[in-house]
Amino acid sequence: SQQGEEDPQALSIQEGENATMNCSYKTSINNLQWYRQNSGRGLVHLILIRSNEREKHSGRLRVTLDTSKKSSSLLITASRAADTASYFCATDDGNNRLAFGKGNQVVVIP
Amino acid sequence: DAGVTQSPTHLIKTRGQQVTLRCSPKSGHDTVSWYQQALGQGPQFIFQYYEEEERQRGNFPDRFSGHQFPNYSSELNVNALLLGDSALYLCASSPRTGRIGVRETQYFGPGTRLLVL
Repeated sequence: SQQGEEDPQALSIQEGENATMNCSYKTSINNLQWYRQNSGRGLVHLILIRSNEREKHSGRLRVTLDTSKKSSSLLITASRAADTASYFCATDDGNNRLAFGKGNQVVVIP
Repeated sequence: DAGVTQSPTHLIKTRGQQVTLRCSPKSGHDTVSWYQQALGQGPQFIFQYYEEEERQRGNFPDRFSGHQFPNYSSELNVNALLLGDSALYLCASSPRTGRIGVRETQYFGPGTRLLVL
């Protein structure tokens, strides 16, 4: 069953703007991960945040985690056309099996 | 260093047929997980293999079975195909040992797109 639920489902922004996506989940987690998928192909791991962490950065990516609200957000700063993709959050309960949300389609307009 | 590879890239089958999909994990990885991704949806966990045994299973019927070989590569078999089995099948690998963070990160292959007619 789907664990994470991202919102908004689709996002269209101008190059250089920031893109923010949110994800909610229902059960306890060990960590939460964000993945990117281009054109329905394989997923690329972006960032992992552990349940005892609140914020993490990687390059232009910033992830926050609020375990009390069971939610996470992904911020992509200074977006580029190459950031056009689907973004998925996935929760891991510690058994290394990922439960994905439905995904968030981001279109960056040059 | 080769990443996760999957074969074939595309496959067309008819209802009732059987299909076998193959996956080679990233070098140094011994755990393989399979996911099914229907169009417009997020991937759903099918099962996970390590030490040549199925260790975890998602909510999929017994028509879905798998195998892991001594070289850590894996196969996914689906019997009695249904139209609803049409999807992108993704294989992901990860290492069971190593530092925290490395163990939990899964590397995905490009997927096999299966169409059942």
